[in-house]
Amino acid sequence: DSGVTQTPKHLITATGQRVTLRCSPRSGDLSVYWYQQSLDQGLQFLIQYYNGEERAKGNILERFSAQQFPDLHSELNLSSLELGDSALYFCASGTGGQETQYFGPGTRLLVL
Amino acid sequence: AQSVTQLDSHVSVSEGTPVLLRCNYSSSYSPSLFWYVQHPNKGLQLLLKYTSAATLVKGINGFEAEFKKSETSFHLTKPSAHMSDAAEYFCVVINQAGTALIFGKGTTLSVSS
Repeated sequence: DSGVTQTPKHLITATGQRVTLRCSPRSGDLSVYWYQQSLDQGLQFLIQYYNGEERAKGNILERFSAQQFPDLHSELNLSSLELGDSALYFCASGTGGQETQYFGPGTRLLVL
Repeated sequence: AQSVTQLDSHVSVSEGTPVLLRCNYSSSYSPSLFWYVQHPNKGLQLLLKYTSAATLVKGINGFEAEFKKSETSFHLTKPSAHMSDAAEYFCVVINQAGTALIFGKGTTLSVSS
């Protein structure tokens, strides 16, 4: 158990809908990272937050957004969902910089 | 830009035999390198991490990896495979800014009895 929690575990929704994925980091970690794992793209970095501020962006679509709250939990919002957004979404947390990132169990999103 | 290449998409071994999963990296600076493992329907677990303190890095569950700068390699080894080692293994480099992990495409390890 990494100490990073993600909810929900599974999500099934329809095209065009909007969903919110939630992540709670390990105690003491200020950084939260979001990754997407899909069969065709593999594991890709989406976005990083550090202590409530956006720190870095990767291959994140404009339809996707994230935020980190004062209690350090983070939410990833996915809107106008398409079939291709079906994937496993991971949250990781860490202290920032070159340090280790610890991953949550993931949220499996299926868009029908 | 940093990148990692996992040279085998699938490796099959028998229980009790050695495991070798190969990874080459590309980086313009001295990188931090990781191996993560993903068991079926599970999250990603850190196996080990290299940060330039020692070229031979020991990880969990008997795995180790050797950083070879001259070969730009970071291969993962284990002397004796166990059935529970069957999983997907990812070689990972962190970008210079320390903001993102860059994953290889993964190697599926199968272990037969």
